[in-house]
Amino acid sequence: DAKTTQPPSMDCAEGRAANLPCNHSTISGNEYVYWYRQIHSQGPQYIIHGLKNNETNEMASLIITEDRKSSTLILPHATLRDTAVYYCIVMRSSNYKLTFGKGTLLTVNP
Amino acid sequence: NAGVTQTPKFQVLKTGQSMTLQCAQDMNHEYMSWYRQDPGMGLRLIHYSVGAGITDQGEVPNGYNVSRSTTEDFPLRLLSAAPSQTSVYFCASSSQVNRDTSYEQYFGPGTRLTVT
Repeated sequence: DAKTTQPPSMDCAEGRAANLPCNHSTISGNEYVYWYRQIHSQGPQYIIHGLKNNETNEMASLIITEDRKSSTLILPHATLRDTAVYYCIVMRSSNYKLTFGKGTLLTVNP
Repeated sequence: NAGVTQTPKFQVLKTGQSMTLQCAQDMNHEYMSWYRQDPGMGLRLIHYSVGAGITDQGEVPNGYNVSRSTTEDFPLRLLSAAPSQTSVYFCASSSQVNRDTSYEQYFGPGTRLTVT
């Protein structure tokens, strides 16, 4: 599975959009981009995933560049409860094994 | 649905003791796995199972055993606890994936284990 690169930390003001970047320049054609988050030592929580098209759900939007070498997770209106470590993971659809890096610690400030 | 449940939530062991961490899911998921998370680190895969009767090793399997006799349960056994196994343990489950579709994994709340 392709490796990912994320900034170690980011800050965001409450109510503003949080844009979390992820680089995955070695991604293969059959690999999905997943985003999970972990709020203060709780179990990780699935957010969203995509293959090549942009995706949106009730939690977030995922923007994948046309060459698929990078992506951005967008939390449109960040709240204090969105403070968490966000993990970008690239994985084949047939592979169950999530490989977690250190992720990005997003801190939402009042 | 209760989702993925783990027991106990906290456990303190002495070096050399054995114990079993319990994990259960009520979503009829085929895939289950165990991860450990050390302070300041991401999760690392210990063992996983793609269905009842089938298990395989992950990234850090040494010192742990698993079995999968039912779809619902996937216990993790520590054979002889060591201080290096002090960690937070997470269980996860997922629907079976196939080549054309991918599914999210659901994680339990974790078991915080301290080995003294």
